[in-house]
Amino acid sequence: EAGVAQSPRYKIIEKRQSVAFWCNPISGHATLYWYQQILGQGPKLLIQFQNNGVVDDSQLPKDRFSAERLKGVDSTLKIQPAKLEDSAVYLCASSSLRQGYVGYTFGSGTRLTVV
Amino acid sequence: AQKVTQAQTEISVVEKEDVTLDCVYETRDTTYYLFWYKQPPSGELVFLIRRNSFDEQNEISGRYSWNFQKSTSSFNFTITASQVVDSAVYFCAHSRAYGGSQGNLIFGKGTKLSVKP
Repeated sequence: EAGVAQSPRYKIIEKRQSVAFWCNPISGHATLYWYQQILGQGPKLLIQFQNNGVVDDSQLPKDRFSAERLKGVDSTLKIQPAKLEDSAVYLCASSSLRQGYVGYTFGSGTRLTVV
Repeated sequence: AQKVTQAQTEISVVEKEDVTLDCVYETRDTTYYLFWYKQPPSGELVFLIRRNSFDEQNEISGRYSWNFQKSTSSFNFTITASQVVDSAVYFCAHSRAYGGSQGNLIFGKGTKLSVKP
């Protein structure tokens, strides 16, 4: 079974620029999550999708962050404009109601550096 | 609201020592899940274990063991005879349960374990 794919692996941008991250979940997984992990901290949920609908985006800074999951498969997370404090690893994860004891599967993440 | 506390920020041990990573959680839910994840220097999150709130049996998997105690809201993780490859950041996490599945994960801040040869 292929894992959760994320790209790019690394990204360096200047503040006020825009950036987009892409995630392809495990085939058949209805639930997709984007997490932000700031250095030295645990991951924090930004947004959760169930198929192509948003379940929870209460912690997404909507003035600059946006995310979509068209057709309930791939997802894109965008930041516009970026701030220095957005420097973090952005993790995508997916899960399935049929997954039983396996739990969530995480991608390798995108490391964003804002300079 | 749910909260996960990992009081130990960093632990350093010498190879072959046993080490216990502490995790304390707060929740008002009666049904929930608890997790442990390993994050090696490469950055990916590796799933170690998931525990249902109704199952307080301790679990052992090779050199790893977990002690779940609802009375103290703790879910501690012990590595026996630690090895250098165990060096990583370990996260404890909680999620709510919905009809057999789970909600989103709430993570602790992590414990960085360094195992020296």
